[in-house]
Amino acid sequence: GEDVEQSLFLSVREGDSSVINCTYTDSSSTYLYWYKQEPGAGLQLLTYIFSNMDMKQDQRLTVLLNKKDKHLSLRIADTQTGDSAIYFCAESRPSGGSYIPTFGRGTSLIVHP
Amino acid sequence: DAGVIQSPRHEVTEMGQEVTLRCKPISGHDYLFWYRQTMMRGLELLIYFNNNVPIDDSGMPEDRFSAKMPNASFSTLKIQPSEPRDSAVYFCASSFKGFNYGYTFGSGTRLTVV
Repeated sequence: GEDVEQSLFLSVREGDSSVINCTYTDSSSTYLYWYKQEPGAGLQLLTYIFSNMDMKQDQRLTVLLNKKDKHLSLRIADTQTGDSAIYFCAESRPSGGSYIPTFGRGTSLIVHP
Repeated sequence: DAGVIQSPRHEVTEMGQEVTLRCKPISGHDYLFWYRQTMMRGLELLIYFNNNVPIDDSGMPEDRFSAKMPNASFSTLKIQPSEPRDSAVYFCASSFKGFNYGYTFGSGTRLTVV
């Protein structure tokens, strides 16, 4: 997962917007993903974006993709305490006829009142 | 659907013992993945199966680790003998038609080897 890089921590105040950034390395990646992991649980798919898109919006979530710079971001509007979790960026890379996911180390989002 | 089911949720074992982790994927999913999560290395892909056949096991750390998928509804990850450095959370995930459609993770097995 070292080729997908994320900052390890982000702290925001409740009600503010959170922006979690990610850089990836493989320009052939077709899909990029954001997963959320709550304490003691597995990863949950939040959203994904196809590589020919620049932006995708889903309620409070906005994903921006800059393919030229291989940069992906996740914006959470009106961040709530329930959004506190670890957020993983992932890219799918072609391998042996399939696509293999590579995950970043995860960004711990801490939301404080 | 109950999702991906892993058992046990927690396992504490002594060094040298055999450990078997179990996974039941979502019905109809044709891909199954085993991951290991640690603070030091993050999330590592160990092995994945397509239609019960192991496709890539290059992530398996050493010969002490083995995985099987005898049928579409069951997979095991075995560590024999276990070592303290194997302590981690092991996740199973499954998907339909591969990763591009995203996939579903189980809740994980927290393994502690003492």
